[in-house]
Amino acid sequence: QLQLQESGPGLVKPSETLSLTCFVSGGSISSSGYYWGWIRQPPGKGLEWIGSIYYSGSTYYNPSLKSRVSLSVDTPKNKFSLKLTSATAADTAVYYCARHQHYYDSSGLLTATFDYWGQGTLVTVSS
Amino acid sequence: SYDLTQPPSVSVSPGQTARITCSGAALPKQYAYWFQQKPGQAPILIMYKDSERPSGIPERFSGSSSGTTVTLTISGVQAEDEADYYCQSADSSDTSMFGGGTKLTVL
Repeated sequence: QLQLQESGPGLVKPSETLSLTCFVSGGSISSSGYYWGWIRQPPGKGLEWIGSIYYSGSTYYNPSLKSRVSLSVDTPKNKFSLKLTSATAADTAVYYCARHQHYYDSSGLLTATFDYWGQGTLVTVSS
Repeated sequence: SYDLTQPPSVSVSPGQTARITCSGAALPKQYAYWFQQKPGQAPILIMYKDSERPSGIPERFSGSSSGTTVTLTISGVQAEDEADYYCQSADSSDTSMFGGGTKLTVL
């Protein structure tokens, strides 16, 4: 059974960089057809996709966050990471990592969704 | 990218049918997915490619699509179905997005 686990500081100071890592177990991060993504959820609010990365290093980012987000992948250690620069209080959220199915099916339509999620980790941006 | 619009809340009595809609301009050309999220838990994928149920999801959950609107239907609602429900899709530039979420209350 695929499992994902987020890890990183629970408290980040304003203007600093928020950094999180997702450890994947029970499957290979190098599996074909799967990206690995980050989604966040501010307290009491909805879900926001941040970005996704393929094992080759190919990335997709949410345009609204693209200028501050960087994703990386470490295939030997089966993990991937998120860096969000210039953090503000608005970045306070539960951050989830997830497996991101991403492929074009036989109909030529894009299949793109998140089928396995980590439990989430709360990151608070505060001085 | 484009927006996905959901009603903020839906209320039904146990045993009744709940319908949660999600509207978006690109939905005729893109698949939609549905997630269930209970308090303090990660979202769970409950509907795939508009109307396919992943393994382990009860048959009372179904999905449909018509034009720019997709609908999640829960037949014979149970108390345990009380949760937040989110639709999700992607656009032609591979940007993923979520609807604002719908809180289902079982009266």
